[in-house]
Amino acid sequence: KNQVEQSPQSLIILEGKNCTLQCNYTVSPFSNLRWYKQDTGRGPVSLTIMTFSENTKSNGRYTATLDADTKQSSLHITASQLSDSASYICVVSSAYSSASKIIFGSGTRLSIRP
Amino acid sequence: DAGVIQSPRHEVTEMGQEVTLRCKPISGHDYLFWYRQTMMRGLELLIYFNNNVPIDDSGMPEDRFSAKMPNASFSTLKIQPSEPRDSAVYFCASSLAVLNTEAFFGQGTRLTVV
Repeated sequence: KNQVEQSPQSLIILEGKNCTLQCNYTVSPFSNLRWYKQDTGRGPVSLTIMTFSENTKSNGRYTATLDADTKQSSLHITASQLSDSASYICVVSSAYSSASKIIFGSGTRLSIRP
Repeated sequence: DAGVIQSPRHEVTEMGQEVTLRCKPISGHDYLFWYRQTMMRGLELLIYFNNNVPIDDSGMPEDRFSAKMPNASFSTLKIQPSEPRDSAVYFCASSLAVLNTEAFFGQGTRLTVV
């Protein structure tokens, strides 16, 4: 069964600290993995897209890693800011001959405290 | 480009009524996606189109839901008849391709069925 599991479900850290969010998946065949940031009341915004051959990708203070062998990904946030408070969603796509499947994780709700 | 535009932003309707949600994708994007987000189930892909043709509608919950894309710049998601359990935020997104490209989300339509 295709699944995407994220941990932790929620996280509270102090401003300026680093944190790492986890995403494990069982999607097959794998096509790509995306991390989205969703602010409250808004649509998700893409942070990174990673394909099978990519191990790491950065977007400012956000760095995503992918281990296709263990089917794990992480999103590392450096020097957190209050504006990083949001839900972070891991999305894995699977490619078939006729269509693609897009499977969402349930998200990690991150709160940054001053 | 103004991004993906959804209307209305909020909709409150009585159970049994027909509801139509609208979406204007980013010009030039060949793919359009409809998602539903609830606290209980997170983000769920309902259906996606490629060049105005529905490709995968396996996420549509039941026959009360229907989606159309009459042209490249407009899509609708209709619920008839609506039920309280349909209450959710409905997002539309568009992208250049279904895989390995960023999907851009609209602001969403918050639907409340009473």
